[in-house]
Amino acid sequence: GIQVEQSPPDLILQEGANSTLRCNFSDSVNNLQWFHQNPWGQLINLFYIPSGTKQNGRLSATTVATERYSLLYISSSQTTDSGVYFCAVSQGGTASKLTFGTGTRLQVTL
Amino acid sequence: SAVISQKPSRDICQRGTSLTIQCQVDSQVTMMFWYRQQPGQSLTLIATANQGSEATYESGFVIDKFPISRPNLTFSTLTVSNMSPEDSSIYLCSTATNEKLFFGSGTQLSVL
Repeated sequence: GIQVEQSPPDLILQEGANSTLRCNFSDSVNNLQWFHQNPWGQLINLFYIPSGTKQNGRLSATTVATERYSLLYISSSQTTDSGVYFCAVSQGGTASKLTFGTGTRLQVTL
Repeated sequence: SAVISQKPSRDICQRGTSLTIQCQVDSQVTMMFWYRQQPGQSLTLIATANQGSEATYESGFVIDKFPISRPNLTFSTLTVSNMSPEDSSIYLCSTATNEKLFFGSGTQLSVL
């Protein structure tokens, strides 16, 4: 099956700093999504981004499908950004059978 | 986006017993998905539940251990049967809207 690796595995930032999270996948995909799991375990869908670039407030994401990677940018980080960020991919184009990456654990400190 | 209510939010169970997790969606949806998140790990798809048909299980998961019901287009249950400590995990239900996946709040299960 498809392999999804995320880097870095852990990241500690001071509030206000910027960061880039990376998601590499081993085969072509038609569906790619980014999620944030907050410290209470709730998973929030951040982006559906099989290709191209999207922005939502302080967050933006870029997927270069031909090179099999996606990037999540967090600008002016806040303590509420803490948690684990997952990318997930599937080859079928739908949200069925999404394979989740290894995750990046982010801690934002004051 | 769909709003998904999941219960219980957490439970502590004795080995050998079973727990049924319920998931209610605020709109009719075709597919519901059940995921497992073992401690400190990523998410793994257990099965896809379609209304009116048997659930489709992923490799490594079997119906006898994780029976699923899908009686209508807004509701599903997952049962974790004959539990052992290795079943201690977060179990999450989810559904998709316009190719985006949305999750319930999860069930934190601890098996003693």
